[in-house]
Amino acid sequence: EVQLVESGGGLVQPGRSLKLSCAASGFTFSNYYMAWVRQAPKKGLEWVATISTSGSRTYYPDSVKGRFTISRDNAKSSLYLQMNSLKSEDTATYYCARHGSNLWWYFDFWGPGTMVTVSS
Amino acid sequence: DIQMTQSPHSLSASLGETVSIECLASEGISNYLAWYQQKPGKSPQLLIYYASSLQDGVPSRFSGSGSGTQYSLKISNMQPEDEGVYYCQQGYKYPPTFGAGTKLELK
Repeated sequence: EVQLVESGGGLVQPGRSLKLSCAASGFTFSNYYMAWVRQAPKKGLEWVATISTSGSRTYYPDSVKGRFTISRDNAKSSLYLQMNSLKSEDTATYYCARHGSNLWWYFDFWGPGTMVTVSS
Repeated sequence: DIQMTQSPHSLSASLGETVSIECLASEGISNYLAWYQQKPGKSPQLLIYYASSLQDGVPSRFSGSGSGTQYSLKISNMQPEDEGVYYCQQGYKYPPTFGAGTKLELK
């Protein structure tokens, strides 16, 4: 059974940093692109970052480019999101998600999410 | 970025009714379209990918169709557990983008 479990969320002040983690199990982690998708309170879904199988390629939308860094440790079946210079608009539940295909981007399994609140 | 417009914003359906949710892309996306269901307090779950392929374990009362810029999700025989918010998402062009969601309630 595929399982994704996020951790590391919490309350952080604007301008500070936070690192999220995602522990994966039930599949061969190193074979899949992985992603982070977020959802602001009572809002829709926004893709945040994607990383290739080896970690050599990373992708971000303009809203987080230069501030967020996605990484992975295939030996530990773990995914990470380093978030720097956090803003109030980064407040959201952050989901770890597995890409359903490495050829086109959709997400076939999601974790339960971890909440990040950016506030002074 | 490709804009995804969903309609309606919300709807209610009776038990056993058939409902449809529409998704319009701002340009052609060649069937690279996925549908997700999100129940209150839960993470999204994949229902349909490549416009009409049913994800393993998803009931057959869910079906997807469409082409070009217009796509739809049909739910036949509405059940209580189908309540939630439904999102479409295009994966044709980077960045992947989602529709705003359609809230489905049981009447």
